[in-house]
Order: sequence, then structure tokens, then C-alpha cells
Amino acid sequence: GENVEQHPSTLSVQEGDSAVIKCTYSDSASNYFPWYKQELGKRPQLIIDIRSNVGEKKDQRIAVTLNKTAKHFSLHITETQPEDSAVYFCAASKRGVWRYGGSQGNLIFGKGTKLSVKP
Amino acid sequence: DAGVIQSPRHEVTEMGQEVTLRCKPISGHNSLFWYRQTMMRGLELLIYFNNNVPIDDSGMPEDRFSAKMPNASFSTLKIQPSEPRDSAVYFCASSFFSLAGENTSTDTQYFGPGTRLTVL
Repeated sequence: GENVEQHPSTLSVQEGDSAVIKCTYSDSASNYFPWYKQELGKRPQLIIDIRSNVGEKKDQRIAVTLNKTAKHFSLHITETQPEDSAVYFCAASKRGVWRYGGSQGNLIFGKGTKLSVKP
Repeated sequence: DAGVIQSPRHEVTEMGQEVTLRCKPISGHNSLFWYRQTMMRGLELLIYFNNNVPIDDSGMPEDRFSAKMPNASFSTLKIQPSEPRDSAVYFCASSFFSLAGENTSTDTQYFGPGTRLTVL
């Protein structure tokens, strides 16, 4: 089955600096890669996602890049702010073969990265 | 839209008692997922349903755990008997899964607020 590795487990940056979190996946058939942000005591919330037919996607200060050949994808946060402090999770899944059942469509999460942005 | 609704938000029980967690997915969603989150193991998928049918329950820890989805708007996760090691935050998530096409964003999972379970 799919396995997702996430690094680093903790990351501390100064406000205004950039932060990069990297994930690798094992199943070359995976084609959907979301990133979730979880603040302390809150639910995980989707912040950005990318599909395998795209190499990069940006949304204001957040960007995600995907290298299908190397099977890794990364989250980039620029101009970090204290409110970016949270745990970030990457995930991977494959879709498109739902009618055959099995585990297709479910997300496999990385272990998370605790990001601390110091003012 | 109220989002995914879970109840109770907090549950404290004694070892050996039965615990039932409840989830109402977002209206119109056809997939429902139950996750468990602990510091040691992170976010673990326990089971998921599509169109009310369990698709994969390989993440369910043991026979003490069971889940049902009697209709499109309600699901339960039951632990009987509960043990201290079951203490965790349990999240329910829902999505609308479609084979409509590669570029659609229909399979985004939306999480509920979670149920914090403490088994003494």
C-alpha cells in the first residue's frame, strides 16, 4: 500500500522567512496530493492541493510543487507570519478506480510537521 | 452549510464501557471517513464508506471497534468494550467522490471538529 514520509517533523522559522516541508510517497499510481493545516485543538483543514497532471500550484503565500519522477512533493510558505504556526500534514491518494472497490480514494497522511513562526 | 457535525465533542468514560461516536456528513457528500489521531501514531484512517457501503476497514484496530452508516446522513463508530489505549481524538470527514475527471476538486475531504475520547 501507499506510504507517505514527511520531513522535517518540526520546523522553526523567523517571521518573514520562508518555510519548506517535503513529502515522499511510494505508490506511483497516487495522483492527488493535498496539504492540511491543523491548529492546536482544531480540525485539519485543507490549504492547498495538487493533482498529478500539474507540476506546481500557488495560492497567495502558499505553493506546492510535485515531482512525479522522484515521487515527492513539497509545501512552500513565503513571508511566514505567526498565524502560520500549526501542524501541517501532507497526504496522497489515487482516484479513478472507485468502481473496483479497495482502498482507492482514501488519503494516506504523513506524520505531520510542527511549524513555529517566531515574531 | 453546517459542515461535518460530530457528537459528542468530548467523552470521558471508564474502561469496559461502550462508547458511541456520531457523525453527520456534509449534505450531498457520498464518502465518509473515520480517523483516529494520537501523538504517537498521528492521523490513522480507521474505515471509510462510499454510498453508505464500507469500502475499507483494514484500519480498524480490532473487533472492539465497529462502524455503521445506515443512511447517507449518519454514521456511528462504536467501541465496546473501551480501553485506556483507545483515548484519542476521533475525526469524521466527508467528501464527494466523482469519476468526473482528473481536474475536478470533488474529492477534497472536509473534517468534522472531532471527538476527544478519554478512557479512564
